[in-house]
Amino acid sequence: DGGITQSPKYLFRKEGQNVTLSCEQNLNHDAMYWYRQDPGQGLRLIYYSQIVNDFQKGDIAEGYSVSREKKESFPLTVTSAQKNPTAFYLCASHRRENTEAFFGQGTRLTVV
Amino acid sequence: DAKTTQPPSMDCAEGRAANLPCNHSTISGNEYVYWYRQIHSQGPQYIIHGLKNNETNEMASLIITEDRKSSTLILPHATLRDTAVYYCIVSPNQGGKLIFGQGTELSVKP
Repeated sequence: DGGITQSPKYLFRKEGQNVTLSCEQNLNHDAMYWYRQDPGQGLRLIYYSQIVNDFQKGDIAEGYSVSREKKESFPLTVTSAQKNPTAFYLCASHRRENTEAFFGQGTRLTVV
Repeated sequence: DAKTTQPPSMDCAEGRAANLPCNHSTISGNEYVYWYRQIHSQGPQYIIHGLKNNETNEMASLIITEDRKSSTLILPHATLRDTAVYYCIVSPNQGGKLIFGQGTELSVKP
């Protein structure tokens, strides 16, 4: 079945370590997005990419980095520069001409 | 900041219609109204969207006022599985970023 897959579902890291979250989609979607969600809050945009080899910062990009080397993949690295990395991270994608966004099931990152 | 205002929480009896309001008084002419919902600890799910006409699909109906400054999402026969946070978002149709507000936490009770 087509869809968007995030892995792992739960991730634990020690403070000061970089960690990379995976997001893969087989929907042939051009645009991909990373959001962060804190408890009781809405989603906030970290980075987005409209085409391969191009991406833009969202509202809270500091401490994060991304790459878009393939259309189907948009990994997010949470660096040690991110002050409060513990959160629920969601990846999404959609076609440029279709406005329905599909979301993955999320990765819950805990930094101790 | 989100361009929409929603009540933080609502209750609905199972089997009854759930009417979720949304204010978007600063919406511009090329912006659509979208609704997504998020069940606890899952990714958001698209429900419906519209520009100025009322829309209906298998999940819900969307009623947009004539001046487009507010809208209502209607779940005609709410079930316990409809308990979720519902987000109303305004965005241009040609892709674009989704700006999520706080949403409305809908509790469907037996």
